[in-house]
Amino acid sequence: EDQVTQSPEALRLQEGESSSLNCSYTVSGLRGLFWYRQDPGKGPEFLFTLYSAGEEKEKERLKATLTKKESFLHITAPKPEDSATYLCAVRDNYGQNFVFGPGTRLSVLP
Amino acid sequence: DAGVTQSPTHLIKTRGQHVTLRCSPISGHKSVSWYQQVLGQGPQFIFQYYEKEERGRGNFPDRFSARQFPNYSSELNVNALLLGDSALYLCASSLEFSGNTIYFGEGSWLTVV
Repeated sequence: EDQVTQSPEALRLQEGESSSLNCSYTVSGLRGLFWYRQDPGKGPEFLFTLYSAGEEKEKERLKATLTKKESFLHITAPKPEDSATYLCAVRDNYGQNFVFGPGTRLSVLP
Repeated sequence: DAGVTQSPTHLIKTRGQHVTLRCSPISGHKSVSWYQQVLGQGPQFIFQYYEKEERGRGNFPDRFSARQFPNYSSELNVNALLLGDSALYLCASSLEFSGNTIYFGEGSWLTVV
């Protein structure tokens, strides 16, 4: 059974203080690993898809990386508007559904 | 272009009642999935529909059902509501059945009292 865990559960940063969020996964044949951002009371917003170990994707202050067991979302010089819950999900080669982790709640203080 | 749209945005129901939630996918997207998100947790898969047929089902009781219409819009129905059904119900669409990225709507907040 596919499983996704995320750490830390919550993270508080000062504006400009870079950090990383972790997503650890077990999956029988990875089709893709996905990062989403979710603001309170809203639906998840797609950020990145990673397909194979060693792959990296970047968008503004965010950079996602992938190994065979985990993915990291690096946040460089964050701003208060980066405050949100960041969700990680995997999809395997056999099923059609996405398995999500519980998310990391990020707060960036001015 | 419009994203995934869901209605209603908020609703309150009483235990034992029935609820219908609606979803319109992104234009051109043929696959619709439904997810339940309980406060503090990640979304959990309920159903996937493609070309009006159920293509996947998560670990939810038979009180949950769904359907997809010829225009690819979808409905999620929940019968005999329980307090534990209170959650954010998310609809997501993708281009094809095996579309590798899904795009979510803003969700329907269901409170069961």
